[in-house]
Amino acid sequence: EVQLVQSGAEVKKPGESLRISCKTSGYTFTNYWIGWVRQMPGKGLEWLAIIYPGDSNIRYSPSFQGQVTISADKSISTAYLQWNSLKASDTAMYYCVRGYYIDYWGQGTLVTVSS
Amino acid sequence: DIVMTQSPDSLAVSLGERATINCKSSQSVLSSSNNKNYLAWYQQKPGQPPKLLIYWASTRQSGVPDRFSGSGSGTDFTLTISSLQAEDVAVYYCQQHYNFPPNFGQGTKLEIK
Repeated sequence: EVQLVQSGAEVKKPGESLRISCKTSGYTFTNYWIGWVRQMPGKGLEWLAIIYPGDSNIRYSPSFQGQVTISADKSISTAYLQWNSLKASDTAMYYCVRGYYIDYWGQGTLVTVSS
Repeated sequence: DIVMTQSPDSLAVSLGERATINCKSSQSVLSSSNNKNYLAWYQQKPGQPPKLLIYWASTRQSGVPDRFSGSGSGTDFTLTISSLQAEDVAVYYCQQHYNFPPNFGQGTKLEIK
């Protein structure tokens, strides 16, 4: 059974750094693109970035280039999304997803950034 | 980037009636190499991640009821629910999976009339 299990909710202050994770199982991690989708409160779905763990090919949405960093650790089948300096506007639910058309979603990680 | 635009933004349909949601892409998502339309549909219920309903514009994901169907080609697509059930109340999103970023439409909220 394919599973994407994300790390727990986070509460941070503006300017702090953060890394959230997505542990996968049930499939060959290096054979599928894995990415991150944001959903701000009461809003729609936005792509941030995607990575192909097989060759570390990475793509960022223009709106998020330089704002976040995506990475993957093949040895533990886990993807990450990192911020160096959070803003209040980063408050959102972040979903880990598999593929360009998304057949599997993580349960979501709620990130709250507030002073 | 390919921009996806859905219509309407919200929709109220009686139980048992047909619901239709439209999606338009700013450029064609039909691949000339394999003649496939790179268009997906998702359903999102409150407090849950979205669920894949349809991909390649008309291929139903395993386990999705056959009252859900997708159609269209090029830049214009439709999701049809043939006979609305109470459990279909949700927000529906289209998405192009032709290139990156594989953008979503803004969503259509479907309610019971």
